[in-house]
Amino acid sequence: DTAVSQTPKYLVTQMGNDKSIKCEQNLGHDTMYWYKQDSKKFLKIMFSYNNKELIINETVPNRFSPKSPDKAHLNLHINSLELGDSAVYFCASSQRAGYTDTQYFGPGTRLTVL
Amino acid sequence: AQSVTQLDSHVSVSEGTPVLLRCNYSSSYSPSLFWYVQHPNKGLQLLLKYTSAATLVKGINGFEAEFKKSETSFHLTKPSAHMSDAAEYFCVVSDGGSQGNLIFGKGTKLSVKP
Repeated sequence: DTAVSQTPKYLVTQMGNDKSIKCEQNLGHDTMYWYKQDSKKFLKIMFSYNNKELIINETVPNRFSPKSPDKAHLNLHINSLELGDSAVYFCASSQRAGYTDTQYFGPGTRLTVL
Repeated sequence: AQSVTQLDSHVSVSEGTPVLLRCNYSSSYSPSLFWYVQHPNKGLQLLLKYTSAATLVKGINGFEAEFKKSETSFHLTKPSAHMSDAAEYFCVVSDGGSQGNLIFGKGTKLSVKP
């Protein structure tokens, strides 16, 4: 069983389009995250949700909107895609939002904007 | 503010020789520190973590790391490299708050020569 899953694995789209990436975890965790990994492999947190409530919202364009319908799901919707949005997006989850909690990562979604 | 510096962007070793990946951190708190590994086109997997218990932390696949407060270091070691260890390694510090914000180093690419 995959602990943290993301769909799709690859996403190729044109500039200006709107797209969504879905994330599901079956670990029973309370907290979920979205990270962006750029072309130089640098990872940075974008959002964090705890019990469906937003707790971290880093400096991310408001074209990015996370949605958490329940504790097991955290989706990422991106409007008006730009070339600079091309990256690998990782979803993660942890039992709680504490600083000692281990985060478990999904396999990533490689987004390419043409 | 918390930060982490991985001192080498690329390390190359021969199979069967020791591995040393260096990491220095900066933290206002007693930090939680992690090492994650990312194999090509894969998600991130936790190797080990330090959360103020024993300073020598053993992880999976024969890796271990030692927390040295006086040197603000958390170097990753393995006595004998295997070909399957070739991957990108990330040193990570947690921001010490209640939000679970992870701050990633820029990664060290480990190459293993036969």
